[in-house]
Amino acid sequence: GDSVTQMEGPVTLSEEAFLTINCTYTATGYPSLFWYVQYPGEGLQLLLKATKADDKGSNKGFEATYRKETTSFHLEKGSVQVSDSAVYFCALSAQEGNTPLVFGKGTRLSVIA
Amino acid sequence: SAVISQKPSRDICQRGTSLTIQCQVDSQVTMMFWYRQQPGQSLTLIATANQGSEATYESGFVIDKFPISRPNLTFSTLTVSNMSPEDSSIYLCSVEVRVGYGYTFGSGTRLTVV
Repeated sequence: GDSVTQMEGPVTLSEEAFLTINCTYTATGYPSLFWYVQYPGEGLQLLLKATKADDKGSNKGFEATYRKETTSFHLEKGSVQVSDSAVYFCALSAQEGNTPLVFGKGTRLSVIA
Repeated sequence: SAVISQKPSRDICQRGTSLTIQCQVDSQVTMMFWYRQQPGQSLTLIATANQGSEATYESGFVIDKFPISRPNLTFSTLTVSNMSPEDSSIYLCSVEVRVGYGYTFGSGTRLTVV
C-alpha cells in the first residue's frame, strides 16, 4: 500500500538556520502530496501542497517540490524562527480523491533563539 | 476550505465507560475520516465514514469498540467504547471538500482514560 517516510526527529536548530525535512513516498499512480504542521497543543493545519510532478508548494516561507523521479517532497525553509517550532507531517492522498491521507511519522522541530 | 466543529475538545473518563465525539462540517462532504493520534505519535486512520452506509474500518479497529454514525452529509460521531487507559489519545475527524485541495481537520478531542 501507499506509504510516507520522513526523517525522524527531533531536529533542533538555531534561529535563522536553514531547514530541510526529508520526505519520500511510495504510491501507485500520482498522489497529491501535503505538509501539515501541528503547533504545541493545537490541531493540524495544512502548510502546503502539490498535486502533480514539478509543482512547488509554498507558504509562510516554507517550500516543497513534488519530485516524481525521486518520489520525494522535501520541506525547506531558508531562515527558521522560534515560532516555527512544531511537529511537521508529510502526507499523501490518492489522486482520485475521497481517500484518506497517509501520514509520515512526523518530525519535531525546535528552534532556539 | 471547510470548517469543522469538533467536540468535546477534551475529556477525562473512567475506564469501562464510553465517550461520543461529534464532528459537524459547514459543507456537505461525501467521506469523513476518523484518526487517532497517540501521545507523541503520528495519525492513524481508524475508519472512513460514508453517509448512508456502514463505516469502513482499518486493520486493528473494530466497530464494537469504535462505532461510527454518519446520519447526513455534514455530521458524524465516533464513540470510544469500554475505554481503557490505552485509549488515551487525541481523536480527530477530517474531510476533503475538494479533490487535491487538501484536507481539513477538526481541532481534536484529547481523551484521557483513568
